[in-house]
Amino acid sequence: EVQLLESGGGLIQPGGSLKLSCAASGFTFSSYAMNWVRQAPGKGLEWVSGISSSVGGTYYTYYPDSVRGRFTISRDNSKNIFYLEINSLRVDDTAIYYCAKGDRPFCSGGGCYFLDSWGQGTLVTVSS
Amino acid sequence: EIVLTQSPATLSLSPGERATLSCRASQSVSSSLAWYQQKPGQAPRLIIYDASKRATGIPARFSGSGSGTDFTLTISSLEPEDFGVYYCQQRGWYITFGQGTRLEIK
Repeated sequence: EVQLLESGGGLIQPGGSLKLSCAASGFTFSSYAMNWVRQAPGKGLEWVSGISSSVGGTYYTYYPDSVRGRFTISRDNSKNIFYLEINSLRVDDTAIYYCAKGDRPFCSGGGCYFLDSWGQGTLVTVSS
Repeated sequence: EIVLTQSPATLSLSPGERATLSCRASQSVSSSLAWYQQKPGQAPRLIIYDASKRATGIPARFSGSGSGTDFTLTISSLEPEDFGVYYCQQRGWYITFGQGTRLEIK
C-alpha cells in the first residue's frame, strides 16, 4: 500500500523560510515523479512543483510561474523522502501542502503526471 | 498555461439521481485529463484518468468521457458517500486543476 506522510508545517512569519518533507513507502520511490500540491483555506487545488525520477543521473524539476524562484523541490532516493523548500514566505502561501505521487517517472511528449496517491497534508500558516 | 473551467460551481442533487459535471480546457489536452474527489478534511482521491479510465477501486457508477477540450464526469446513481468537491486536472502541459464543482445533497 502506498503511503505518503508530510511533515514540517507550522506557523511562520512573513519573509521566513520553511522546508517540508514527505516520506514515502509501499512503492519503488526512485521510479516515480513526485509532486507538491497546495490548497489555501476554502479554495481549490494548486500544483506547485514536481520532480522527475532520475533520467541519466539528472532530476528534472517543474514549477508554475506563480512560485518559480521561491520554491525548490528535491528528493533523496536513499531515504525515500522528498522535500519542498519555500523562501520569502508570503501570507498568501498559507495553505495545506499535500505531497502526491505521479503516475509516471517524468514529463515527456505525452505530458506530465496524474497524481495517483496523496498524503494527508501539512498546514503552513504564514502570519506575523 | 492551460486553464480548466468547471461547471456548474455547485450541483445540488438527491441520492439516486444522476450527476453530470463538466470541465472545459482552454486548449486541447487530448485525453490527458483526470478527475479527483475530495471530501471535507480529506486529501483528494484520483477517480478517473486518461479521461475515461477508472482508478483502482472506483465503483462502476463513475464514468468519464470527452477528449480535446470538453470533458464530462458522470455519476450514474448518487450514493451518500459521493457528495463532496470534484476537480478536473490536465497533464498535457505541466499540471493545472479546475476550480472545482461542489456536489451537495439536496
